[in-house]
Amino acid sequence: QQQVKQSPQSLIVQKGGIPIINCAYENTAFDYFPWYQQFPGKGPALLIAIRPDVSEKKEGRFTISFNKSAKQFSLHIMDSQPGDSATYFCAASREGNMLTFGGGTRLMVKP
Amino acid sequence: DTGVSQDPRHKITKRGQNVTFRCDPISEHNRLYWYRQTLGQGPEFLTYFQNEAQLEKSRLLSDRFSAERPKGSFSTLEIQRTEQGDSAMYLCASSPGLRDTQYFGPGTRLTVL
Repeated sequence: QQQVKQSPQSLIVQKGGIPIINCAYENTAFDYFPWYQQFPGKGPALLIAIRPDVSEKKEGRFTISFNKSAKQFSLHIMDSQPGDSATYFCAASREGNMLTFGGGTRLMVKP
Repeated sequence: DTGVSQDPRHKITKRGQNVTFRCDPISEHNRLYWYRQTLGQGPEFLTYFQNEAQLEKSRLLSDRFSAERPKGSFSTLEIQRTEQGDSAMYLCASSPGLRDTQYFGPGTRLTVL
């Protein structure tokens, strides 16, 4: 049972473009929504996270938009660079317990 | 480096053999999590510890899997009688406590022949 659905599965953008990755969740008890970046052969690394009391959070070139009523959240990467090419995972958790991950989005940023 | 470390990084074994993985969390992190990630998928939760106590286990964790965290420091994950379906990346994460960020290690890639 997939509680967090992520789309698209893959994404190709030109350098400087703004890739957008979307996630939808089912469990309304989730109260923490992080995004992780993973390079091949490495573990996931936290990019940015949000809690449902805010609708948007920015950290550098990364922005999370959160829509509590729609049970959706998304990641925007401003001024994308080839070094951003990686797999991105959204996740959700309830009360700080285990993370439930989406299926991942493989992003390629072309020079 | 003071991040989460895992050993070994790669393990190749034959079906039916037992394997054990080790995870060393970030110092003073009370919570330690194990996840499994298959190719092209997101990590899936297996189990987690609060200090030395194992608080929750996923239904993914069959009887062949056992995890320990003696003295609340490092943790081990053992798989007995490995099957080809056990081939995956096994990830360990730690956090300072409840509601804190989970920091992942580099993972142990298991291949069962």
